[in-house]
Amino acid sequence: EAGVTQSPTHLIKTRGQQVTLRCSPISGHTSVYWYQQALGLGLQFLLWYDEGEERNRGNFPPRFSGRQFPNYSSELNVNALELEDSALYLCASSYRDRDNQPQHFGDGTRLSIL
Amino acid sequence: GENVEQHPSTLSVQEGDSAVIKCTYSDSASNYFPWYKQELGKRPQLIIDIRSNVGEKKDQRIAVTLNKTAKHFSLHITETQPEDSAVYFCAASGWVGQFYFGTGTSLTVIP
Repeated sequence: EAGVTQSPTHLIKTRGQQVTLRCSPISGHTSVYWYQQALGLGLQFLLWYDEGEERNRGNFPPRFSGRQFPNYSSELNVNALELEDSALYLCASSYRDRDNQPQHFGDGTRLSIL
Repeated sequence: GENVEQHPSTLSVQEGDSAVIKCTYSDSASNYFPWYKQELGKRPQLIIDIRSNVGEKKDQRIAVTLNKTAKHFSLHITETQPEDSAVYFCAASGWVGQFYFGTGTSLTVIP
């Protein structure tokens, strides 16, 4: 079974630019989650998508947005990049069920803002 | 919203000793508690999880205990080995799709 895949692995941008990160979930998983992991910090929840809809978002400004496609893959878009956006962005996927299901993470995209 | 606190932030143990990491949560509606291990430069990996209808769960050298009354849960690693060295994250979830993570514990197992 292929795991969660993310692209690109690394990205360097400058302040004010825009970036798009991509995630492909494990086959059969309909839920995709995005997290930000700043250096030395924990995982901060960004967004949750399921069946093509945004189901929940964390405490991040509107310039963080995304979408989920019919094949359940997902994009995370960040506009007007700021220095503090430098972090590892992790995507996770899971089955959607009545109860919470384990999340499986990708390797992440390392975003550096200069 | 939920608030998950994790202690200690760093932990060093001698190889063969036990390691215990504790997390507390604030929302009594939380009912699912996974633990993740993240080695340097790698993705977080689920190592064990527990639901609120169970007080303890074991998987070989790893165990998790849950005290719903006190709102805390702990990860226990016995007979630690150097390959157990990593950052460990706890998480709590009540509503489906909402996960709140602790700030992580950096475990070092000294050979």
